[in-house]
Amino acid sequence: DIQMTQSPSSLSASVGDRVTITCRASQSVSSYLNWYQQKPGKAPKLLIYAASSSQSGVPSRFSGSGSGTDFTLTISSLQPEDFATYYCQQTYSLPQWTFGQGTKVEIK
Amino acid sequence: EVQLVESGGGLVQPGGSLRLSCAASGFTFSSYDMQWVRQTTGKGLEWVSVIGTAGDTYYPGSVKGRFTISRENARNSLYLQMNSLRAGDTAVYYCARGSVSYSSSSGRVHQYYYMDVWGKGTTVTVSS
Repeated sequence: DIQMTQSPSSLSASVGDRVTITCRASQSVSSYLNWYQQKPGKAPKLLIYAASSSQSGVPSRFSGSGSGTDFTLTISSLQPEDFATYYCQQTYSLPQWTFGQGTKVEIK
Repeated sequence: EVQLVESGGGLVQPGGSLRLSCAASGFTFSSYDMQWVRQTTGKGLEWVSVIGTAGDTYYPGSVKGRFTISRENARNSLYLQMNSLRAGDTAVYYCARGSVSYSSSSGRVHQYYYMDVWGKGTTVTVSS
């Protein structure tokens, strides 16, 4: 199985900060990598697919990059509504589409 | 409005069975792959199963042989039959729509798969 490891597990940041979350795959997943945002008590929401393509309606401050084993989600200027948990997911290897363990972004 | 609504969750004893349902609306259900994803309390997300438009199904090893995903296009409905339930199956179960983005490079077509619509989830508790 392909393991997805996110770092950090949590971070504290202020409104306006630039935030970077990393996701590393245990083997290459090419660009088959998605990012989701989840707020407490809510379902996950798709932000980025194919490593760097933004889902329709997602603010431009969210961007994704990387390929192979190393990926990054960047929030260019953190907004109050961005405080949430973020998950990466690989869809390279069926039938084992795995998620990272999540990165919780909290208010400093 | 594109919407997915799960139902059927509840409390079940270990070894018991439960059937989850997901009602879809606002899109052509038969044209999309559909899946189930679960989330244990305080923990992360785990993909549980997928069913393609042709009825092909896939499962991870943790549920293979115990869970069965199915769909009824005439009713715009997705199901998950869960048998031989264990305490570790306790989770919120989400229904999600699968979509694909295509790109070509080096003479090869890449199909990038992602889950773009999610329901609010239904809670399954396995306990005696």
